[in-house]
Amino acid sequence: EPEVTQTPSHQVTQMGQEVILRCVPISNHLYFYWYRQILGQKVEFLVSFYNNEISEKSEIFDDQFSVERPDGSNFTLKIRSTKLEDSAMYFCASSGGLAGGPGTDTQYFGPGTRLTVL
Amino acid sequence: AQKITQTQPGMFVQEKEAVTLDCTYDTSDQSYGLFWYKQPSSGEMIFLIYQGSYDEQNATEGRYSLNFQKARKSANLVISASQLGDSAMYFCAMSGGDWRGSEKLVFGKGTKLTVNP
Repeated sequence: EPEVTQTPSHQVTQMGQEVILRCVPISNHLYFYWYRQILGQKVEFLVSFYNNEISEKSEIFDDQFSVERPDGSNFTLKIRSTKLEDSAMYFCASSGGLAGGPGTDTQYFGPGTRLTVL
Repeated sequence: AQKITQTQPGMFVQEKEAVTLDCTYDTSDQSYGLFWYKQPSSGEMIFLIYQGSYDEQNATEGRYSLNFQKARKSANLVISASQLGDSAMYFCAMSGGDWRGSEKLVFGKGTKLTVNP
């Protein structure tokens, strides 16, 4: 069964360093997402991506964040200068598209990358 | 704006019994989707079940069913014949609204389910 994969599973970095989190979405999916979950809290939307551009982003997704689809399979999230409060689990998700209209698209999540900023 | 409320921080159930996890939602959208995800202690997010706002029948997937009451804006998850492996966090989420080329999910705070032997 196709699945979303993410690397690395755990990333430890120093405050101020740049990190790149990588995701390989399900191969025939068209929409890609990043979410984050601070320990013990709910999952929060960061950004959605379609047709090689950002569709929507949250207020969390400031200028320190960027996303890219560098080739036909990978989808990356870059944090330019990490802060302590960026420590969280980061989930990539993908979905096939809204063939049935709004509210019909199921997102499948990767296993997550746990980012620890020291 | 969409909002999901899960009022049960923790629930306990005996193995082989059924359990209901509550979820209420708030939206002004006509077309939306409701989802349940399971998050085991290992951390991944596993899709369980989906209910569309226009679906007249409650969704079922194996031991999972979604008790959808549109007028009450509730979408409770029912797990029948609980197993020890069902112990996990369960998140209710919704999507929908204006077409933006994608649909973000809005999550509730989750319910931690513990299945006792």
